[in-house]
Amino acid sequence: GDSVTQMEGPVTLSEEAFLTINCTYTATGYPSLFWYVQYPGEGLQLLLKATKADDKGSNKGFEATYRKETTSFHLEKGSVQVSDSAVYFCALLRSGGYNKLIFGAGTRLAVHP
Amino acid sequence: ETGVTQSPTHLIKTRGQQVTLRCSSQSGHNTVSWYQQALGQGPQFIFQYYREEENGRGNFPPRFSGLQFPNYSSELNVNALELDDSALYLCASSLGGLAGDEQYFGPGTRLTVT
Repeated sequence: GDSVTQMEGPVTLSEEAFLTINCTYTATGYPSLFWYVQYPGEGLQLLLKATKADDKGSNKGFEATYRKETTSFHLEKGSVQVSDSAVYFCALLRSGGYNKLIFGAGTRLAVHP
Repeated sequence: ETGVTQSPTHLIKTRGQQVTLRCSSQSGHNTVSWYQQALGQGPQFIFQYYREEENGRGNFPPRFSGLQFPNYSSELNVNALELDDSALYLCASSLGGLAGDEQYFGPGTRLTVT
């Protein structure tokens, strides 16, 4: 069945460092792909998405490119801030009668000043 | 535009009891999905309601049931609570059909079963 695999955390970075969080997926067809962010004590916020191969989603300095050949959707940011500390979830959307999100296990990011 | 709201924020129940969680969808959205997020894990799809009908279900037992009302708000009911039901329950609303690829989540209800 469909699945999403993310790199294990926690990822610990200094402020202004470069961030990469790896995400790969297994799915039939070409599902839409998403990154969600969860701040402490809160629900999930949609960060960015891509709906087809080679699409690049971007928001708030974060980017991810839908790579069909490597079945990947890695999240990147050029310069992280302390306020980016959160848990990041990669997800795919399985459609067909109804839409359901299939999530990875999440990657915790801690950014220190 | 009003976002997705959920109530209550926290809840403590005893094993064997029943619980009802509530969700108000974002304005203009007619589809509500429920997810269970165990500690340290990603959310797992429970079911989805579209125009008051359940139109999709994940791998959860029948003691997990739901409702959607004419104003598109929704309830999640769990009977015969088990310790493993302790989790954050998330509600997400979206547009139905092909336009519904973006799901917007509420803050969640933290359920603890003792």
